[in-house]
Amino acid sequence: DAGVTQSPTHLIKTRGQQVTLRCSPKSGHDTVSWYQQALGQGPQFIFQYYEEEERQRGNFPDRFSGHQFPNYSSELNVNALLLGDSALYLCASSLVPHVNTEAFFGQGTRLTVV
Amino acid sequence: AQSVTQLDSQVPVFEEAPVELRCNYSSSVSVYLFWYVQYPNQGLQLLLKYLSGSTLVKGINGFEAEFNKSQTSFHLRKPSVHISDTAEYFCAVSMSDGNKLVFGAGTILRVKS
Repeated sequence: DAGVTQSPTHLIKTRGQQVTLRCSPKSGHDTVSWYQQALGQGPQFIFQYYEEEERQRGNFPDRFSGHQFPNYSSELNVNALLLGDSALYLCASSLVPHVNTEAFFGQGTRLTVV
Repeated sequence: AQSVTQLDSQVPVFEEAPVELRCNYSSSVSVYLFWYVQYPNQGLQLLLKYLSGSTLVKGINGFEAEFNKSQTSFHLRKPSVHISDTAEYFCAVSMSDGNKLVFGAGTILRVKS
């Protein structure tokens, strides 16, 4: 059983560009959350998708947007990239968005903005 | 708003010695508490969680944590560490209406031989 898979693993973009990161949840999971982990910091919640809708959102600007597809996979889009967007982006999936359900994390996408 | 404070950014310890990684949280409502481990260049793996019931929680790899509501703490302990426990450890909290996690800044555990 494949766990949470993210692509690509590494990415280098230029300031001002746009980027799309992808996440396939663990088999049977229908909820996907995205986190940003800057160097030396803990992960910060960006948003969560359930039933193809954004269910919760953290304190991130509108440049960060997402989507969930009918097969529960998800994309994170970041527009107008800033140097400060350089980070490890983690995707987590769970079976329904409830605290009793364990969130499984992917290995992340390392985004470098130059 | 919830917040998590991990009191030590780095904890060096010798192999087979005991270790405690400290975590304090603040929240105006009931919370649920978690410890995750992150090995280099990997994602996060759940070590243990407290949802309700016994305040002493046992997790994987011999780790345990104790929920102390009066001190708003959830410290992680292991009686005897191994070299393979070298990693970064994150404490996190979640509210009852979902599984959004609020993480601390992390504690790097360095086990020396």
